[in-house]
Amino acid sequence: DAGVIQSPRHEVTEMGQEVTLRCKPISGHNSLFWYRQTMMRGLELLIYFNNNVPIDDSGMPEDRFSAKMPNASFSTLKIQPSEPRDSAVYFCASSQHSGGNTEAFFGQGTRLTVV
Amino acid sequence: LAKTTQPISMDSYEGQEVNITCSHNNIATNDYITWYQQFPSQGPRFIIQGYKTKVTNEVASLFIPADRKSSTLSLPRVSLSDTAVYYCLVGDLYMYSGGGADGLTFGKGTHLIIQP
Repeated sequence: DAGVIQSPRHEVTEMGQEVTLRCKPISGHNSLFWYRQTMMRGLELLIYFNNNVPIDDSGMPEDRFSAKMPNASFSTLKIQPSEPRDSAVYFCASSQHSGGNTEAFFGQGTRLTVV
Repeated sequence: LAKTTQPISMDSYEGQEVNITCSHNNIATNDYITWYQQFPSQGPRFIIQGYKTKVTNEVASLFIPADRKSSTLSLPRVSLSDTAVYYCLVGDLYMYSGGGADGLTFGKGTHLIIQP
């Protein structure tokens, strides 16, 4: 398996623009997680899905952020409108919840810069 | 929410054994302890997971005392490539039963620097 695939790897956009980050989890995994990482705040869990259903989105910073998982092989994280403080590395991770093991596999991340 | 405390940074030398201790005084009965490693510009990578006593795999060992209020990640004979940030996570793996995602909530981690 190619692992968790995120696109794009890098994104530079202007303030106010819509940004869509994409994630393809590992085939067969039933849980998907979106994280944001900055120097100041470290790794923050934004939202996670189980069987394509959002379970906890309490980490989503505000209404400008939204995430969807239309099927088991694809998820998006959208920021609209984007702001400079959204600049960060966004990671997607997936796991197979099976009786106790929650080893999560992370993608390479998308480095977002909002100018 | 089980919180963790780790040293911000540690230094060691190639060939040495490195032990990173994590404190989790309010760990709950259902909580597991998991360690991840992160290199610059990469996502975290799972190292090891345990509930009590000792767990060992090809990469590391995890020591958990009987009271489970702390845990120690042991890296045998480190090399320069082990320079990374190491995260200790504590939480209920059965997050879908209402326990939330504590098991996948990252703290600040320990920045381990290995010198020649």
